[in-house]
Amino acid sequence: EDKVVQSPLSLVVHEGDTVTLNCSYEVTNFRSLLWYKQEKKAPTFLFMLTSSGIEKKSGRLSSILDKKELFSILNITATQTGDSAVYLCAPRYNNNDMRFGAGTRLTVKP
Amino acid sequence: EPEVTQTPSHQVTQMGQEVILRCVPISNHLYFYWYRQILGQKVEFLVSFYNNEISEKSEIFDDQFSVERPDGSNFTLKIRSTKLEDSAMYFCARQAPNYGYTFGSGTRLTVV
Repeated sequence: EDKVVQSPLSLVVHEGDTVTLNCSYEVTNFRSLLWYKQEKKAPTFLFMLTSSGIEKKSGRLSSILDKKELFSILNITATQTGDSAVYLCAPRYNNNDMRFGAGTRLTVKP
Repeated sequence: EPEVTQTPSHQVTQMGQEVILRCVPISNHLYFYWYRQILGQKVEFLVSFYNNEISEKSEIFDDQFSVERPDGSNFTLKIRSTKLEDSAMYFCARQAPNYGYTFGSGTRLTVV
């Protein structure tokens, strides 16, 4: 059975801290892995990772995929209160379907 | 990137009633998806729809659920006889070529 495990489930930090969110997966017909940020409503896209070892960056956020060890990490440096959200990882299958992990709830305190 | 519009934003219905949730994606996209999220729980896959046919569906998507693209643009999810446990946020999504999915703003369904 396919599995997506995110850790930690929740995390509380102070502004300026750096956080690392983890996602491990065991899926068949893997194509890519996506990270989303969910605040109040719909998830919003952050990154799509297809190849191992290539870091993707967007401002203070970065992510990398390890297809051999079947995990991905999402880093956020110099966290701000606006980073408070649930961060979701989602493996994408060859047929383009996607399954979400349970998410990591990040709370950034002033 | 154009948004995906969902209507209504919130629907309250009596148990046993039928509901139709609507999604207006941009035309010319072939892949569409419905997901749901029960309050406080993870986002769950319901069904994928490719070229006007169901491509994959989860065990959640039982006979009470159906999807259609009745007029080539709107994309609907119908729940025939709602149950209390159908209360959730329902998201439609379309595939975006270079960055996964674009989600609609969601419909909050409350079954009373």
